[in-house]
Amino acid sequence: EVQLLESGGALVQPGGCLRLSCAASGLSFSSNVMIWVRQAPGKGLEWVSSISSSDDVTFYGDSVKGRFTISRDNSKETLYLQMNSLRDDDTAVYYCGTWAPGHEYIQHWGRGTLVTVFS
Amino acid sequence: QSVLTQPPSVSAAPGQKVTISCSGSSSNIGNKYVSWYQQLPGTAPKLLIYDNDKRPSGIPDRFSGSKSGTSATLGITGLQAGDEADYYCGTWDISVHVGVFGGGTKVTVL
Repeated sequence: EVQLLESGGALVQPGGCLRLSCAASGLSFSSNVMIWVRQAPGKGLEWVSSISSSDDVTFYGDSVKGRFTISRDNSKETLYLQMNSLRDDDTAVYYCGTWAPGHEYIQHWGRGTLVTVFS
Repeated sequence: QSVLTQPPSVSAAPGQKVTISCSGSSSNIGNKYVSWYQQLPGTAPKLLIYDNDKRPSGIPDRFSGSKSGTSATLGITGLQAGDEADYYCGTWDISVHVGVFGGGTKVTVL
C-alpha cells in the first residue's frame, strides 16, 4: 500500500521559514515525479511545486516562486519543501502527492500537514 | 481566481444524476488530459477520474468523465448521501508550466 506522510507543519510568524517533509513508502519513490499542493482554510486546491524523479527539473506556482524550494532525497524516499519569507496567505494544509507526467493526474495523496502563518 | 472554471455547487435528490462542468482553454484542457478528485469533509482529495474518462480501481462506475474541446464533465449517477463532497478538476497548463485546478464544486444530496 502506498503511503505518503507529511510532517513539519507548524505555527510561524510572517517572514519566518519552515521545512516540510513527505516520507514515502510502498512505491518506487525514485521513479515518481512528486508534487506539493496546498489548500487554504475553506478554499480550493492550489498547485505549489513539482520535482522530476531525478531531481533535475522543478516547477513552481507564481505565488511561491522565489520563496519556496522543492527537493528530494531518493535514498531516504523523502520529499521536501523549504518555505522562506512566509506570508499570511501561505496558511494552508500542504499535501504531497505523486504526479503522472503526460497524463496530468495526482495518483496518490498524503493526509496533509497544516502550516499557519500569523503574528 | 482559478484557471479552470467550475460551478460552486450542484444538488440533487438521492438516486438522481448530477453533472459538473470544468471549463478551461487551449493551454490546458484543450491539449491535456483532465482528472477529477473527490474530497470528503475533513479528508485529503482522492483521485476519481484520470485521462479524461478512466476510473482507478475501486471507483464505482456511477462516476464518469468526458472531455470535449476545452471543457470536461464529471457525471455522478445514482446519487448517494456518501457522495456529498467537494469535487475538483485538474490538469497541466502548458503556457505557465504548472498544474491547475478548478475552484471546486460542492455536491449536496437533498
